[in-house]
Amino acid sequence: KAGVTQTPRYLIKTRGQQVTLSCSPISGHRSVSWYQQTPGQGLQFLFEYFSETQRNKGNFPGRFSGRQFSNSRSEMNVSTLELGDSALYLCASSLEGPPVRNEQFFGPGTRLTVL
Amino acid sequence: DQQVKQNSPSLSVQEGRISILNCDYTNSMFDYFLWYKKYPAEGPTFLISISSIKDKNEDGRFTVFLNKSAKHLSLHIVPSQPGDSAVYFCAASARAGTASKLTFGTGTRLQVTL
Repeated sequence: KAGVTQTPRYLIKTRGQQVTLSCSPISGHRSVSWYQQTPGQGLQFLFEYFSETQRNKGNFPGRFSGRQFSNSRSEMNVSTLELGDSALYLCASSLEGPPVRNEQFFGPGTRLTVL
Repeated sequence: DQQVKQNSPSLSVQEGRISILNCDYTNSMFDYFLWYKKYPAEGPTFLISISSIKDKNEDGRFTVFLNKSAKHLSLHIVPSQPGDSAVYFCAASARAGTASKLTFGTGTRLQVTL
């Protein structure tokens, strides 16, 4: 069974631009969560999607948004990029229900660098 | 406001000895705790979890202990192996209806030396 895949793996953007990251969950998994990892802050929860609906949201500004498609694939978008958005963005999928009651499987992440 | 804290950014242990990684939390609503391991250039991998109704959970070389009164949990790895060298994240959740999210600590880098 293929794992969680994220594209692209690396991305370089400049301030003010916008970016879209993609995540394909493990087949059959309906919950997709997004996290931002930075050296000083660890992993911070962005949002979770389940059956195309945002079910939970972290404390990030509205520049960060996401969506989920009927095949459970998910995208996240960051508009008006800032230098502080440089981070590793991780996607995790789980079967269904609250992800914390099921094992979450993480993808390798997308490394975003904002210049 | 860091609700889950891993106060040791790094830890070095000799092969064969016990590794003890610590985690403290402040939110008394947390009722489920997990440990993840992360190698460079890979996503975190689930290791072991514990519900707040238990105080210990064991899986092979990995044991997690939970002290609710102290709001403290620890991960014990016995015996430690070089392949255990990685960054370990503690995570916690507070169930709220059908929605929940993981709150992670900042991680502890474990180095197992020969």
